[in-house]
Amino acid sequence: AAGVIQSPRHLIKEKRETATLKCYPIPRHDTVYWYQQGPGQDPQFLISFYEKMQSDKGSIPDRFSAQQFSDYHSELNMSSLELGDSALYFCASSGRVEGSQETQYFGPGTRLLVL
Amino acid sequence: GDSVTQMEGPVTLSEEAFLTINCTYTATGYPSLFWYVQYPGEGLQLLLKATKADDKGSNKGFEATYRKETTSFHLEKGSVQVSDSAVYFCALSVGSGGGADGLTFGKGTHLIIQP
Repeated sequence: AAGVIQSPRHLIKEKRETATLKCYPIPRHDTVYWYQQGPGQDPQFLISFYEKMQSDKGSIPDRFSAQQFSDYHSELNMSSLELGDSALYFCASSGRVEGSQETQYFGPGTRLLVL
Repeated sequence: GDSVTQMEGPVTLSEEAFLTINCTYTATGYPSLFWYVQYPGEGLQLLLKATKADDKGSNKGFEATYRKETTSFHLEKGSVQVSDSAVYFCALSVGSGGGADGLTFGKGTHLIIQP
């Protein structure tokens, strides 16, 4: 079965640079979510989009922005990168079934290292 | 706010032992509850879920029952295998009227199964 696709899988950036992470949801899923997982930590919710509109917002820094496009893929843009942004970034997707958005399916993640 | 508390471990067991990983939650609404598993270097995989009180989720020999009276969703398995070694995350989603709400995760429990 098709899964969530994330690119790139690994990314190395310098401090103060920018990074763009991409997420391609499972076919027919209309909702994407972004999470950040620091080393040895639990995933922290950043932001979600449903039908190309921002739906829920978590602990996303002001330096980060995201959007969902007409083909439902999403991009997370990260500017003025800091050492503390080094983490695993997950995208998840879900589809509306019987009026509820419930089960999120996660991609393999993008590992970002900021030097 | 919503929160999930789970035993952090590491939990070390011998193969074929009985497993319990405790998870309790605090939520303002009526959450859906999930267990996700993360193998080393990989993304999060949905293990099982329950969407209402007294529901039992089960998969691959793992079970968890949604207990509203004790606000718990403990994970159990009758006979663990070495291949079950991973980090297990308990999570909840309140799901406000169909919105794409982010998951709230516990800190994760590192499970180590010895042959």
